[in-house]
Amino acid sequence: DTGVSQDPRHKITKRGQNVTFRCDPISEHNRLYWYRQTLGQGPEFLTYFQNEAQLEKSRLLSDRFSAERPKGSFSTLEIQRTEQGDSAMYLCASSFGTGDEKLFFGSGTQLSVL
Amino acid sequence: GENVEQHPSTLSVQEGDSAVIKCTYSDSASNYFPWYKQELGKRPQLIIDIRSNVGEKKDQRIAVTLNKTAKHFSLHITETQPEDSAVYFCAASIGDTGRRALTFGSGTRLQVQP
Repeated sequence: DTGVSQDPRHKITKRGQNVTFRCDPISEHNRLYWYRQTLGQGPEFLTYFQNEAQLEKSRLLSDRFSAERPKGSFSTLEIQRTEQGDSAMYLCASSFGTGDEKLFFGSGTQLSVL
Repeated sequence: GENVEQHPSTLSVQEGDSAVIKCTYSDSASNYFPWYKQELGKRPQLIIDIRSNVGEKKDQRIAVTLNKTAKHFSLHITETQPEDSAVYFCAASIGDTGRRALTFGSGTRLQVQP
């Protein structure tokens, strides 16, 4: 395992459709994060897990977004009833530790909502 | 929540010159301040970080300073090289107890002219 992997790399969908992304973190990492990045902006925090527990969720996140990490390993991010404003790069990151630690980012999933 | 502002948004320097990027944060409880570098089309990668119990940290040509009273921190790159060209993001979080995930600034595009 050489790093955080995300699937798919690109997703094009029509407005109103549901999409699901997958993230496989570095195997020994206990924390997993989801961020969203649009062109010219920094990553925007969405949610994070410690093992299988979802410990924090952005207040900006609408109820159309849901994330799971059922066995404390891979995670999925689902967006229901997609809107054009959801178009962005969705980044997953993982880390290991009990305090502050380095985040290892995946290459991201580029979502385009038509 | 935390708000991190970053300046300038773009910075162009001649090779060999120094570059300085500044960030301010709003939440006095923040205690962990990393800097990430993102090259075009690639994932963000940690280059240096500082915790609130120190005022300065240096790693070869890169240094970060922190002023907790003023709630700002800066990235200093000396003897810039063309490979330093990238987008740099500052971030802030609350580590350890009362943990809160990283909030990123909007980024600084650094261009080093040969």
